[in-house]
Amino acid sequence: EAQVTQNPRYLITVTGKKLTVTCSQNMNHEYMSWYRQDPGLGLRQIYYSMNVEVTDKGDVPEGYKVSRKEKRNFPLILESPSPNQTSLYFCASSVAVNTGELFFGEGSRLTVL
Amino acid sequence: AQSVAQPEDQVNVAEGNPLTVKCTYSVSGNPYLFWYVQYPNRGLQFLLKYITGDNLVKGSYGFEAEFNKSQTSFHLKKPSALVSDSALYFCAVRPEWGQNFVFGPGTRLSVLP
Repeated sequence: EAQVTQNPRYLITVTGKKLTVTCSQNMNHEYMSWYRQDPGLGLRQIYYSMNVEVTDKGDVPEGYKVSRKEKRNFPLILESPSPNQTSLYFCASSVAVNTGELFFGEGSRLTVL
Repeated sequence: AQSVAQPEDQVNVAEGNPLTVKCTYSVSGNPYLFWYVQYPNRGLQFLLKYITGDNLVKGSYGFEAEFNKSQTSFHLKKPSALVSDSALYFCAVRPEWGQNFVFGPGTRLSVLP
């Protein structure tokens, strides 16, 4: 089954404790992206990747890091989480051609205390 | 700069009535347009897309959307709403000369029994 898998789905952590949200897709997609969803603000892009070893900042990259060492994986790293990073996070992937639609993971709800 | 507007935060419709969720966009070049639906505690699911050709595109769950180039709109429609259609709907554009998706703020659809 074609899917984008994120883990963990739910996480409560404390300020400053490094965490990683993993994302994996099994569709051989070149393009992957991270979004955060906050009430009243819709979806905002954090980082994206066009292919392996190619990443770029989205609209709200501050406080986040990503890596793309393998095509299928695109982890989101919060080196020192802060309460304003409490949010619902989505990973998504797509084929490289811009007629392709995005496939989304089920989301990761992060709370930073 | 690309942008997507969904002028209504909330749309209420009675079950069995037709529904419309509005979307307008601003993009350079030809737009590739998408609609997604988000049910509670779930990721976004792809509904339909317009790439080229017929201005009326049909998608999942009986939804369709009409592309209007002169009005730069891509409204989502369904002839007869179901209570189960109640969800959050996002319009998105992927520019002809780029890879990134730009999402609208979302419209919450409530179908009343």
